Amino acid sequence: NAGVTQTPKFQVLKTGQSMTLQCAQDMNHEYMSWYRQDPGMGLRLIHYSVGAGITDQGEVPNGYNVSRSTTEDFPLRLLSAAPSQTSVYFCASRSLRLSGANVLTFGAGSRLTVL
Amino acid sequence: SQQGEEDPQALSIQEGENATMNCSYKTSINNLQWYRQNSGRGLVHLILIRSNEREKHSGRLRVTLDTSKKSSSLLITASRAADTASYFCASPRDDKIIFGKGTRLHILP
Repeated sequence: NAGVTQTPKFQVLKTGQSMTLQCAQDMNHEYMSWYRQDPGMGLRLIHYSVGAGITDQGEVPNGYNVSRSTTEDFPLRLLSAAPSQTSVYFCASRSLRLSGANVLTFGAGSRLTVL
Repeated sequence: SQQGEEDPQALSIQEGENATMNCSYKTSINNLQWYRQNSGRGLVHLILIRSNEREKHSGRLRVTLDTSKKSSSLLITASRAADTASYFCASPRDDKIIFGKGTRLHILP
């Protein structure tokens, strides 16, 4: 049981380049989300999804796109990377069905540097 | 805006001492969750306390919740070197889970 898998672990981009951070979970969780973590800022929610075909914005959505075509996958796209998007990105998921199981399971993180 | 705010931002204590971290939140909650993050790793859930609970224990962890003051505290007793980490409180807001900025705990040998 792999839990939440994020790829890549590290990535360096130039300003204006595009890329996709991948996230997959094998726990049949309905809810998936992306956070970014910056020094002194804690975790800030970028986008989230409560099921296939449904996405919504979090606290800091600008510059990021998401889609949820399957229950398992929730990719995060940067269409035109900016230095302000240099951060560590975490994907997390949780069940919405199981009572008492609404805590998040996190991936290991993806460290992105934009030059 | 962030739902929870932890206090203090950083804490250094001697191994064996108790560590207390506090969390204040802004809106009504159904539950409050505490997570730990070891350096360079993802967050791991520690303990959840529901809004109708006042105190909860899990091993060396004790969490309290005061809904009238919109605050929670996490106590780690008999600290160990392995407790060195960042600790975050988080609470659901609608479907989302919003985190505070965290407390960095350093256990001194």
